[in-house]
Amino acid sequence: EIVMTQSPATLSVSPGERATLSCRASQSVSSNLAWYQQKPGQAPRLLIYGASTRATGIPARFSGSGSGTEFTLTISSLQSEDFAVYYCQQYNNWLGTFGQGTKVEIK
Amino acid sequence: QVQLQESGPGLVKPSETLSLTCAVSGYSISSGYYWGWIRQPPGKGLEWIGSIYHSGSTYYNPSLKSRVTISVDTSKNQFSLKLSSVTAADTAVYYCARPLDVDTAMFDYWGQGTLVTVSS
Repeated sequence: EIVMTQSPATLSVSPGERATLSCRASQSVSSNLAWYQQKPGQAPRLLIYGASTRATGIPARFSGSGSGTEFTLTISSLQSEDFAVYYCQQYNNWLGTFGQGTKVEIK
Repeated sequence: QVQLQESGPGLVKPSETLSLTCAVSGYSISSGYYWGWIRQPPGKGLEWIGSIYHSGSTYYNPSLKSRVTISVDTSKNQFSLKLSSVTAADTAVYYCARPLDVDTAMFDYWGQGTLVTVSS
């Protein structure tokens, strides 16, 4: 099983600042990496797939990078609606494992 | 617009079988995609349970495979989840979802989720 590890667990950021979230895979997943945003009481929302492609309707302030085992999600200028939990997920195989999440909170 | 809606009992007794259905609208299941189930224990992360194609082909999470059955009913445009021998550890919000690509476990359309509590 591929284990996905996200860091940090919690990120405190002021509105307008940049947020950088990390995700590491225990073995290579090529570019088969997605990022989701989840707000309380809501289903996850797909942000990024293929490590760097924004899903439909996702603002340009969200960007993804990386390949192999190291990945990054960057939110260039945090808006109030961006404070949420973010999950990475590998889909290189059918197990589709998720990271444990990074909570982005208001500083 | 694709929409998914989970339904089923919100309370299941330990050792019994959890049964949920996902009704799909705005898209015909018979047209393709591996439709999936994902769960999230309260306050915890996401776990992919399994996925099914309209032909009945399935993929399951190995950690749950012995207890999971996913089936599809194309005539009703819905698919279902059964999880047997449940314990408190199976208490979670259960989501059904459709993947972005035909045969991956990466999902862009999600139901709103349904909380299932395992308790006597």
